[in-house]
Amino acid sequence: EVQLQESGPGLVKPSQSLSLTCSVTGYSITSNYWGWIRKFPGNKMEWMGYISYSGSTSYNPSLKSRISITRDTSKNQFFLQLNSVTTEDTATYYCARGGIADYWGQGVMVTVSS
Amino acid sequence: IQLTQSPSLLSASVGDRVTLSCKGSQNINNYLAWYQQKLGEAPKLLIYNTNSLQTGIPSRFSGSGSGTDYTLTISSLQPEDVATYFCYQYNNGDTFGAGTKLELK
Repeated sequence: EVQLQESGPGLVKPSQSLSLTCSVTGYSITSNYWGWIRKFPGNKMEWMGYISYSGSTSYNPSLKSRISITRDTSKNQFFLQLNSVTTEDTATYYCARGGIADYWGQGVMVTVSS
Repeated sequence: IQLTQSPSLLSASVGDRVTLSCKGSQNINNYLAWYQQKLGEAPKLLIYNTNSLQTGIPSRFSGSGSGTDYTLTISSLQPEDVATYFCYQYNNGDTFGAGTKLELK
């Protein structure tokens, strides 16, 4: 069974970087696409970007200057880094498989606050 | 592409036929999916490509639509269907609707 699990700090200070890890079991990240989605307070959801089976990336244009998605195939993990965060980046962050997100992690709530 | 879901809140009774709407600001070309999110859980994919039922999803869920207008139908509402439902388009970029919260009357 495909399972995804996010991990990372739940509190980040403004202007710092947010770094999250998605650990995948039951499926190799060298197949398919793997992405990050966030849900803001109030329910708005946003695709942040994804990394492909080959390691190529695609990012939401609204985040392009701040976001980086990378991977470690030996650990079957992929990562999110979001730079220069503000309070508006406070959200629950999910990792997911595929362009239509058929499998999701449970999500990690990240608060940006000093 | 902007997605508008309606209604934002829907109250219905067990056994009711429930219809949720998702309208795009442009043609979505059937690249439309529906997710269910229960409180405290991750979203679950229900329908993709407008009307393809994801494996393991009960057949009371169905999707339809074309162009800019799409619908998720629950043929007979069950108590476990209480959740928020999101539509998502992947025709031009990736955008989610704001969600419809479904509660029991």
